Amino acid sequence: EAGVAQSPRYKIIEKRQSVAFWCNPISGHATLYWYQQILGQGPKLLIQFQNNGVVDDSQLPKDRFSAERLKGVDSTLKIQPAKLEDSAVYLCASSLRRLAGGLNTQYFGPGTRLTVL
Amino acid sequence: QQQVKQSPQSLIVQKGGISIINCAYENTAFDYFPWYQQFPGKGPALLIAIRPDVSEKKEGRFTISFNKSAKQFSLHIMDSQPGDSATYFCAASSISSGSARQLTFGSGTQLTVLP
Repeated sequence: EAGVAQSPRYKIIEKRQSVAFWCNPISGHATLYWYQQILGQGPKLLIQFQNNGVVDDSQLPKDRFSAERLKGVDSTLKIQPAKLEDSAVYLCASSLRRLAGGLNTQYFGPGTRLTVL
Repeated sequence: QQQVKQSPQSLIVQKGGISIINCAYENTAFDYFPWYQQFPGKGPALLIAIRPDVSEKKEGRFTISFNKSAKQFSLHIMDSQPGDSATYFCAASSISSGSARQLTFGSGTQLTVLP
């Protein structure tokens, strides 16, 4: 079974530029998550999708971050404009959706390491 | 408060020794406690998990101990091996608004097992 795919793996940009990350979840996984992992910290949830609908984006800095999941499969996360403090690894994860509230393992992709200069 | 506190930040253990990582939480709505293992350049991967209705769960060399009254849980790695060298994250799960289940991660422990 193929895992969660992410691209690019690395990205270096200057502040105020824009950047986009792509995620392809495991086939059949209805739930998709984007996390931000700052060096030395645990992953922090940015946004959660159920199929192509947003379930929770309460921790997404909406003035500069946006995400979409068209057709309920692939997803993109965009930052515009980027700030120095956005330097982090952006992780995508997916999980099966069973009964509401059910326990489903989250499978993580390798992440995209973003450096903002 | 949606927070999970993890210690120590780093841990060095000799091969064959026992590695112990501790976590504490405040939110009693958490009802599932997984541990994730992350190697450099990789995403976190589920290692072992426990529900609060049991006090211990063991899978091979990995054991979770859970103290519900103290709101603490820990990961024990027996007979630690150099291949166990990685960053370990505890996490806690709860249902947020809209019946969405979410994970809150600790800050991570970088484990180094010396040969």
